[in-house]
Amino acid sequence: GAGVSQSPSNKVTEKGKDVELRCDPISGHTALYWYRQSLGQGLEFLIYFQGNSAPDKSGLPSDRFSAERTGGSVSTLTIQRTQQEDSAVYLCASSLLNRGNSPLHFGNGTRLTVT
Amino acid sequence: QKEVEQNSGPLSVPEGAIASLNCTYSDRGSQSFFWYRQYSGKSPELIMSIYSNGDKEDGRFTAQLNKASQYVSLLIRDSQPSDSATYLCAVILSGAGSYQLTFGKGTKLSVIP
Repeated sequence: GAGVSQSPSNKVTEKGKDVELRCDPISGHTALYWYRQSLGQGLEFLIYFQGNSAPDKSGLPSDRFSAERTGGSVSTLTIQRTQQEDSAVYLCASSLLNRGNSPLHFGNGTRLTVT
Repeated sequence: QKEVEQNSGPLSVPEGAIASLNCTYSDRGSQSFFWYRQYSGKSPELIMSIYSNGDKEDGRFTAQLNKASQYVSLLIRDSQPSDSATYLCAVILSGAGSYQLTFGKGTKLSVIP
């Protein structure tokens, strides 16, 4: 596609429910990143994929968070047993190569609200 | 802990003035530096990248990097109201191997007509 696509754009869920967030990167981009941004805060790194493997999961805040990527393309971020502190905008980004000079292109994000 | 620090602002400048945004980072081994602009309710968009000491100019934007002082800045000349946004400094930290960008919390810029 023309850009990074994320769905849903908004998600409201009850505390304790599981949610899945989807990211469709730019075609041909091998690197994919998940970040989250809480209100008025900077971007917090969650996980990075190179192809289908995730060499860096260091940012996942707890074992309730998991992510996978299939076919070197679409990625899903799953949050189990959601908590109110999980409320944030979840941003996905992709880049052409895993290199320091390959810029990240962000999707429009999924705004998650846990009630 | 390796960090990227920015003044949160808000930074207010009159239309036509130069806006100066600053960023410091703690990891001396960092090699790649980026400035992103984020409008309210929107996702970040890349506006500048810089990898070598000195200045890099692109239109009204100039990025400045001083690795010895661990300092990177963004100058916006002839500021316009449309430049009003939050500017995020991002650094690729050394040694991580994954080239993850670490972001500062951003500086909110307001250009007053």
